[in-house]
Amino acid sequence: KAGVTQTPRYLIKTRGQQVTLSCSPISGHRSVSWYQQTPGQGLQFLFEYFSETQRNKGNFPGRFSGRQFSNSRSEMNVSTLELGDSALYLCASSLERGGYTFGSGTRLTVV
Amino acid sequence: GQQLNQSPQSMFIQEGEDVSMNCTSSSIFNTWLWYKQEPGEGPVLLIALYKAGELTSNGRLTAQFGITRKDSFLNISASIPSDVGIYFCAGQGPLLDSGGSNYKLTFGKGTLLTVNP
Repeated sequence: KAGVTQTPRYLIKTRGQQVTLSCSPISGHRSVSWYQQTPGQGLQFLFEYFSETQRNKGNFPGRFSGRQFSNSRSEMNVSTLELGDSALYLCASSLERGGYTFGSGTRLTVV
Repeated sequence: GQQLNQSPQSMFIQEGEDVSMNCTSSSIFNTWLWYKQEPGEGPVLLIALYKAGELTSNGRLTAQFGITRKDSFLNISASIPSDVGIYFCAGQGPLLDSGGSNYKLTFGKGTLLTVNP
């Protein structure tokens, strides 16, 4: 069974630009979460979606947004990129209870 | 906010040795998860614990959900070179201050494990 697929794997953007990252969950998984991973802060929760509704949101500025489509695929968007947004962005999907499966991530570099 | 204290930060051991790492929190969790991450990849789920006091094994790995719901440990027996990686604990829940369900995972900072063949 296919795992969680994130595209693209690598991305280089310039400060001030915006970026959209994509995540396809495991078939049948309706919950999709996004995390930011940096060496300094570790893994930080961004938001979680279930059936196209955002159920939880982390402590990130409004420049970080997301959405989920009816097929459970999810996208996250970061507007007005800053150097500090450089990170590995991870998507995870799960059935209703725990056991989140992560994708390989999108490595975003802001220059 | 919720914080997880994971220790040790790093371990350098000989092949065949047993390893133990743990996480403690000031908050209670409904679920404890243990992940392993290798370079260039996302975290891979090793063990999920859903009940206080639960002890679960997965091959050479054993993990326990603490009775107080504020801690968990992971043991690896007879380590092998492919055990190298960063191990993370993560807690999920409980309820939000608003009373809603909490689907967020709070992660520890990780334990870097190096195994010398």
